Amino acid sequence: QAVVTQEPSLTVSPGGTVTLTCASSTGAVTSGYYPNWVQQKPGQAPTALIYSTKNKHSWTPARFSGSLLGGKAALTLSGVQPEDEADYYCLLNYGDGHLIFGGGTRLTVL
Amino acid sequence: EVQLVQSGAEVKKPGESLKISCKGSGFIFSNYWIGWVRQMPGKGLEWMGVIYPGDSDTKYSPSFQGLVTISADKSINSAYLQWNGLKASDTAIYYCVRSNGADTSSWYLWGQGTLVTVSS
Repeated sequence: QAVVTQEPSLTVSPGGTVTLTCASSTGAVTSGYYPNWVQQKPGQAPTALIYSTKNKHSWTPARFSGSLLGGKAALTLSGVQPEDEADYYCLLNYGDGHLIFGGGTRLTVL
Repeated sequence: EVQLVQSGAEVKKPGESLKISCKGSGFIFSNYWIGWVRQMPGKGLEWMGVIYPGDSDTKYSPSFQGLVTISADKSINSAYLQWNGLKASDTAIYYCVRSNGADTSSWYLWGQGTLVTVSS
């Protein structure tokens, strides 16, 4: 089974910009993996943020954007707010209903 | 309003059976995939498997194949996750999640989670 790797933790200052990445052990992440990004705040259920690489849900703040960067899926937060402090997970689709989460990135806003 | 409402917290003993549920409302349940996700205490999210209630097509993650059973009853807009013979290591929060469309490429809405505690 493939392994999906994310940065375990990142720290960003309020108002700053940070990029989280998502790599696959099978090789470069492409749009065909339909990367999804999920946010989970402490004690809460996860919330979907981004789907199919770069598409936002109606509730996704404009400061969140998804892309492919250097063979990885990426989630960029521009103008970070204190409420963005959370765990972020990427989810890759390996086909035939086989999906794998990354280990998650804990984002600290400090 | 589109919602997924999961059944309440459970406390079980090792070896017991359990079936938890995820009920959808505000959308045509048969037309979307429902996924199940495990989160062990203090750990990350793990994809368990998916079901398409329209025809009960089910796919399991290799890590969970044979350990759990995913099912659905489209007549009552519900999906289920079932264990026969719980272990202490099954202690976790279990989430259901609905697809954005009729395939598994994008995911839209999460349930509130069901806490399962297995302890003697």
